[in-house]
Amino acid sequence: GENVEQHPSTLSVQEGDSAVIKCTYSDSASNYFPWYKQELGKGPQLIIDIRSNVGEKKDQRIAVTLNKTAKHFSLHITETQPEDSAVYFCAASYDYKLSFGAGTTVTVRA
Amino acid sequence: GAGVSQSPSNKVTEKGKDVELRCDPISGHTALYWYRQSLGQGLEFLIYFQGNSAPDKSGLPSDRFSAERTGGSVSTLTIQRTQQEDSAVYLCASSPQAAQETQYFGPGTRLLVL
Repeated sequence: GENVEQHPSTLSVQEGDSAVIKCTYSDSASNYFPWYKQELGKGPQLIIDIRSNVGEKKDQRIAVTLNKTAKHFSLHITETQPEDSAVYFCAASYDYKLSFGAGTTVTVRA
Repeated sequence: GAGVSQSPSNKVTEKGKDVELRCDPISGHTALYWYRQSLGQGLEFLIYFQGNSAPDKSGLPSDRFSAERTGGSVSTLTIQRTQQEDSAVYLCASSPQAAQETQYFGPGTRLLVL
């Protein structure tokens, strides 16, 4: 089955700086890569996703890049704000089953 | 519109008891998923429904776990004879159809087995 590894497990950034989270996957058949944000006591919320036919996607301060050859994808958050503090999960899928990374706890320092 | 809802939000039970967790998907979504999130862990797939059928139950940890879906809508996850290792957050998600569709998650049920 699919195995997704996510790094780093924790990330502390100064407000206004950028945050980068990286994931690798094992199954070359995977072609859908969503990112979820989970705040304390809440369910995961989709923030951005990318499909294998594109290499990069951007939505305001959030961007995701995908390198299918190397089987890795990354989340970039620019101009971080305190409300960006949360746990972020990457996932990979080729059908209906999402395989998740272990999560990155992001803390934005004011 | 209304998102995915789950009940109860918290459940404390004694080891050996049975529990039922409920999920109300987004109206019109035919695909429904259950995941489990253990403390400090990522999300682990449990089961997938397409309509009322469950073509993939591969993630259910043991035969103490079962799930059903009726009317193509509400789903119930049942854990029989609960064990302490069942303590986790149980998350439900739904999507309009199935493969490659965005999955929308509910808030989860936090289960604690004493």
